[in-house]
Amino acid sequence: ETGVTQTPRHLVMGMTNKKSLKCEQHLGHNAMYWYKQSAKKPLELMFVYNFKEQTENNSVPSRFSPECPNSSHLFLHLHTLQPEDSALYLCASSQGPWAEQDTQYFGPGTRLTVL
Amino acid sequence: AQSVTQLGSHVSVSEGALVLLRCNYSSSVPPYLFWYVQYPNQGLQLLLKYTSAATLVKGINGFEAEFKKSETSFHLTKPSAHMSDAAEYFCAVSDQGAQKLVFGQGTRLTINP
Repeated sequence: ETGVTQTPRHLVMGMTNKKSLKCEQHLGHNAMYWYKQSAKKPLELMFVYNFKEQTENNSVPSRFSPECPNSSHLFLHLHTLQPEDSALYLCASSQGPWAEQDTQYFGPGTRLTVL
Repeated sequence: AQSVTQLGSHVSVSEGALVLLRCNYSSSVPPYLFWYVQYPNQGLQLLLKYTSAATLVKGINGFEAEFKKSETSFHLTKPSAHMSDAAEYFCAVSDQGAQKLVFGQGTRLTINP
């Protein structure tokens, strides 16, 4: 595997379900990100992790719970979601805050539908 | 706070014609600027980036962009469009490395045969 991978690619869940999205980066990076991409809206940064520590939470509702067990893996745990949470969830990684000319590289995304 | 405005949510050009996608930014400090492309059902792929070196930046797939500070612009161009260029293009700005990217609304590029 190369780059940034995300599983599953598609997920349909009910409002009472609990599910998790997984992201893995194979680039040796130290920073990982979750973004939400909704129709007709710009990409929204949700969370930033640097060296496994959360450094940014962009006022995300608590029904979204991130987890970063190591610099290569990032999870997004979902529970009691709302239909308006349906979107494409993108993971990204980068070298980290002290890298010169740091650049984010994105995974293919998970298309989430909440019924 | 930074912001990005992409003029035109949808641009349509003929195959072989010039592609011009417009991006204007607002930033209180020297910006880092990026163009990403998103093909259907895929994530974002980096096309090119400006990080205060040369003002004319060349990217992949024949695209380039020019940073114009006086116009606060970073427009994306390609001399000759190809059918495979059909996708959505996003301009993004950051003023603290790339940790806090602010994206524009995106421009959907359609190529007519």
